[in-house]
Amino acid sequence: GENVEQHPSTLSVQEGDSAVIKCTYSDSASNYFPWYKQELGKRPQLIIDIRSNVGEKKDQRIAVTLNKTAKHFSLHITETQPEDSAVYFCAASIRGGGFKTIFGAGTRLFVKA
Amino acid sequence: EADIYQTPRYLVIGTGKKITLECSQTMGHDKMYWYQQDPGMELHLIHYSYGVNSTEKGDLSSESTVSRIRTEHFPLTLESARPSHTSQYLCASIHGGGAEAFFGQGTRLTVV
Repeated sequence: GENVEQHPSTLSVQEGDSAVIKCTYSDSASNYFPWYKQELGKRPQLIIDIRSNVGEKKDQRIAVTLNKTAKHFSLHITETQPEDSAVYFCAASIRGGGFKTIFGAGTRLFVKA
Repeated sequence: EADIYQTPRYLVIGTGKKITLECSQTMGHDKMYWYQQDPGMELHLIHYSYGVNSTEKGDLSSESTVSRIRTEHFPLTLESARPSHTSQYLCASIHGGGAEAFFGQGTRLTVV
């Protein structure tokens, strides 16, 4: 069945360094790849997404890259700040009716001041 | 304001009780989901729905049921609560295919 694997499960970086989280998906029909940030005690919220017809997307300090051939996509956070500390979830979904969004297991990011 | 609402936010209940967690969204989304999540951990899919009168089971569905009689409403029922059900339950909705998921604020359930 469909599966999304996310690595690493925990990531600790020094403030100002970059952080990279990687995900792989199994269903080649997947064509929408969002990333969600969940702060402590709060609900997950979308921070960036990418569609299968695009290889890279950037929004200020965050960027997402997609390699459709290898079926993997990554989240890049540059110049990390303590407020970036959270759990990050990747997901993959298929356009059209009769599908479900599959989430990765999450990455706990700690940014040390 | 268009949003997705869950009630109650917190619930403490005794073992063996039947409970229903409510989820409503005012965004007109067709797809709705229930997830179980321990704090900061993985999202486990319990049930999902593609629209009215459509429900599908996820990975953790065996001890719960859902219904989708109206587009905006997707309640989750635990027939007999157990301490192993203690967790946070998140409801989410998506419009169409390949779009952002909006999450409710969650229900924190404690079964004693």
